[in-house]
Amino acid sequence: GAVVSQHPSWVICKSGTSVKIECRSLDFQATTMFWYRQFPKQSLMLMATSNEGSKATYEQGVEKDKFLINHASLTLSTLTVTSAHPEDSSFYICSASRGVAYNEQFFGPGTRLTVL
Amino acid sequence: AQKVTQAQTEISVVEKEDVTLDCVYETRDTTYYLFWYKQPPSGELVFLIRRNSFDEQNEISGRYSWNFQKSTSSFNFTITASQVVDSAVYFCALSGWVGNDMRFGAGTRLTVKP
Repeated sequence: GAVVSQHPSWVICKSGTSVKIECRSLDFQATTMFWYRQFPKQSLMLMATSNEGSKATYEQGVEKDKFLINHASLTLSTLTVTSAHPEDSSFYICSASRGVAYNEQFFGPGTRLTVL
Repeated sequence: AQKVTQAQTEISVVEKEDVTLDCVYETRDTTYYLFWYKQPPSGELVFLIRRNSFDEQNEISGRYSWNFQKSTSSFNFTITASQVVDSAVYFCALSGWVGNDMRFGAGTRLTVKP
């Protein structure tokens, strides 16, 4: 149990286009979902936290107008990178938690975004 | 503020050697969780262990063992008799009791040579 999927697993796009990444909890309801970004050979950095039905909370330095997060249901959150540029190329990882006594995070497999 | 320090950026060992990955953390919370994750070249994080701040017992799981020392704010990870398949980046992480604020260390890249 507690499986999280991401789609697509990799995407290549042209500069200026928008890219949507989906994060799904397959066998549980996720009250909270998290989005992380990982640049090559670096650590995971939390971008934002979202609760179902409410606006996401962004970490300092993350542009909310550039990284749109929608947590429309208890099993799906989407991250849209708007007007992507080469510097947005990164590995994006989502995680989901069930909201029980301890909000253990279950991680998705990640999405590798390359912006040309 | 929470902080996790993994001072070893890269470690290279020969197969069958034992290797210890260091993790030092900082937190003002009295209750918290510590984690280790493995990230192989595929990129997917593999959960290894979660330890709460109340439990300082060391843990052993096969070739893996963890040493939690609250007095020194350390949570070190030892692989005994390393294998080539252990080659990966290993992350130590810290979260508060609720778990919504997980912070990762910079990671240690372990290379095990045959």
